[in-house]
Amino acid sequence: AQSVTQLGSHVSVSEGALVLLRCNYSSSVPPYLFWYVQYPNQGLQLLLKYTSAATLVKGINGFEAEFKKSETSFHLTKPSAHMSDAAEYFCAVSGEGGGFKTIFGAGTRLFVKA
Amino acid sequence: EPEVTQTPSHQVTQMGQEVILRCVPISNHLYFYWYRQILGQKVEFLVSFYNNEISEKSEIFDDQFSVERPDGSNFTLKIRSTKLEDSAMYFCASSGQGRREQFFGPGTRLTVL
Repeated sequence: AQSVTQLGSHVSVSEGALVLLRCNYSSSVPPYLFWYVQYPNQGLQLLLKYTSAATLVKGINGFEAEFKKSETSFHLTKPSAHMSDAAEYFCAVSGEGGGFKTIFGAGTRLFVKA
Repeated sequence: EPEVTQTPSHQVTQMGQEVILRCVPISNHLYFYWYRQILGQKVEFLVSFYNNEISEKSEIFDDQFSVERPDGSNFTLKIRSTKLEDSAMYFCASSGQGRREQFFGPGTRLTVL
């Protein structure tokens, strides 16, 4: 069965510093991978997705992620953090099983210090 | 751009009452899903639905839950007799022929008192 592991339930960075949120996945089929952001009391906003094309994926708000099959990873990065990036980030995988459900990681809360 | 919509945005109910959460998927999509997120926790899959039947369901989706596509546009989740632990954000999603990318609605926050 597919699964997602996000390393670090909380990550704290200074404004302007590099953001790195880690995600490892497990899948018996070529995966589709996603990063979502969730602000307090709001829904899920898709940041970016990997769907078997380019391994380096660029998303909204300056975020990008690289699919590394050998490492089964899909880490999310942003060169320079902004205060508005403070939120919960979820990595997710889909593609396995007849229902093609999406499996979410536990989430990483990003704090940005001034 | 087409989007998934959900109503209501927030529902408060008493324990033991029935609730129906409504979703309007993207119009040409064929696959429909419900997920839930208990406050502070991750998003969990509940059920997937295709061709007027459930294609997969999780352990959470017990006999208290049911789904229906009553017409050509709506997709509903019914909880027959709500419990306190049903309090959560419920997300509807839909996908097209490709299936593997799902589009999520804004969610319905259900509060059971």
